[in-house]
Amino acid sequence: AQSVTQPDIHITVSEGASLELRCNYSYGATPYLFWYVQSPGQGLQLLLKYFSGDTLVQGIKGFEAEFKRSQSSFNLRKPSVHWSDAAEYFCAVSGNYQLIWGAGTKLIIKP
Amino acid sequence: DTGVSQDPRHKITKRGQNVTFRCDPISEHNRLYWYRQTLGQGPEFLTYFQNEAQLEKSRLLSDRFSAERPKGSFSTLEIQRTEQGDSAMYLCASSTGAGISYNEQFFGPGTRLTVL
Repeated sequence: AQSVTQPDIHITVSEGASLELRCNYSYGATPYLFWYVQSPGQGLQLLLKYFSGDTLVQGIKGFEAEFKRSQSSFNLRKPSVHWSDAAEYFCAVSGNYQLIWGAGTKLIIKP
Repeated sequence: DTGVSQDPRHKITKRGQNVTFRCDPISEHNRLYWYRQTLGQGPEFLTYFQNEAQLEKSRLLSDRFSAERPKGSFSTLEIQRTEQGDSAMYLCASSTGAGISYNEQFFGPGTRLTVL
């Protein structure tokens, strides 16, 4: 069955520090992978996506993610976080028309 | 604003009442999706339309849930005889697409339902 696991419910990072959010997926074929961010009162916003090709993908707001097929992972990274990055981050895999989502990781920024 | 809009943003109702939510997709998008998101969880797929055709509805949570998209533009999601367990955020998204292709889904702000 298709599934997405985000093992970290919460992550706390100091402002200016680097960030890595983990995502593991289970999918039979080559996956389409996504990272979305959700801020309070805001809709889900796409940060980046992987369909094929270069396994390191760049997104908006300085985020990047690396697809590692051997590890079934698609981890999200940012070299230096800003207080405005505090939000909930969701990893998702596409099962044709629908998205299958992880439970999310809440990012807390320490000043 | 040409994004996905949802109405209302918040709905408080009493158990047993019926509620209806509306979603207006991005105008050129032919696909429309409904998801439910409970606290601490990622969104859960409910149903989707391609134009006015409802191509997948087996994930609707019970027969109390129904959705329509009568003219292939806006869509409504109705919950009959609401229960406290229906309290959640209901998200709508839209995209272009045909066949089994996948295109980026754009999400609305959601409707938060509270059943008392």
